[in-house]
Amino acid sequence: GENVEQHPSTLSVQEGDSAVIKCTYSDSASNYFPWYKQELGKRPQLIIDIRSNVGEKKDQRIAVTLNKTAKHFSLHITETQPEDSAVYFCAARLTGNQFYFGTGTSLTVIP
Amino acid sequence: NAGVMQNPRHLVRRRGQEARLRCSPMKGHSHVYWYRQLPEEGLKFMVYLQKENIIDESGMPKERFSAEFPKEGPSILRIQQVVRGDSAAYFCASSPDSPRSYTFGSGTRLTVV
Repeated sequence: GENVEQHPSTLSVQEGDSAVIKCTYSDSASNYFPWYKQELGKRPQLIIDIRSNVGEKKDQRIAVTLNKTAKHFSLHITETQPEDSAVYFCAARLTGNQFYFGTGTSLTVIP
Repeated sequence: NAGVMQNPRHLVRRRGQEARLRCSPMKGHSHVYWYRQLPEEGLKFMVYLQKENIIDESGMPKERFSAEFPKEGPSILRIQQVVRGDSAAYFCASSPDSPRSYTFGSGTRLTVV
């Protein structure tokens, strides 16, 4: 299987600052990397994803970068807002349909 | 499209009872995945099913836990003789044949008292 590690486990930033969450994966065959946001008591929801043939993808204040050689990918949130406070999960998919999730990062944006 | 429907949202069981968690995938989705989330922890894969088939159950505890996805009706995650350590949020997700991503249900929060 795949082993996904995620850091940091908790992150606090001032409103307006940037937040970066990093994940590493173990299997070089992984080809798809989604990021999910989970607000307290709610379901995880996809916020951005990247395929292995792309190095970077951006959607407004959110961007994801992928380094296939180093087998790590990162989530970048710029101009953070209080509503960005949530738990963020990275995931990696091998060739099948199975996703392997990181352990999550609890992000707190301080107004 | 109603999305992935899980019920019940909250389930309380006494130790030794059985818990049945249901998941109806999104319309057009034929793949179902069950995950367990313990407090302050991530999503732990349990089982991956297609209609009438278990594809991968490598994350499922060997005893007391079982899952099915019948030809008709929702997927069922069954926990027999529940213990306090089974208390967690259980999330179901579904995907089409070529998943761009999972769509998660709202989860069932199981409390064993």
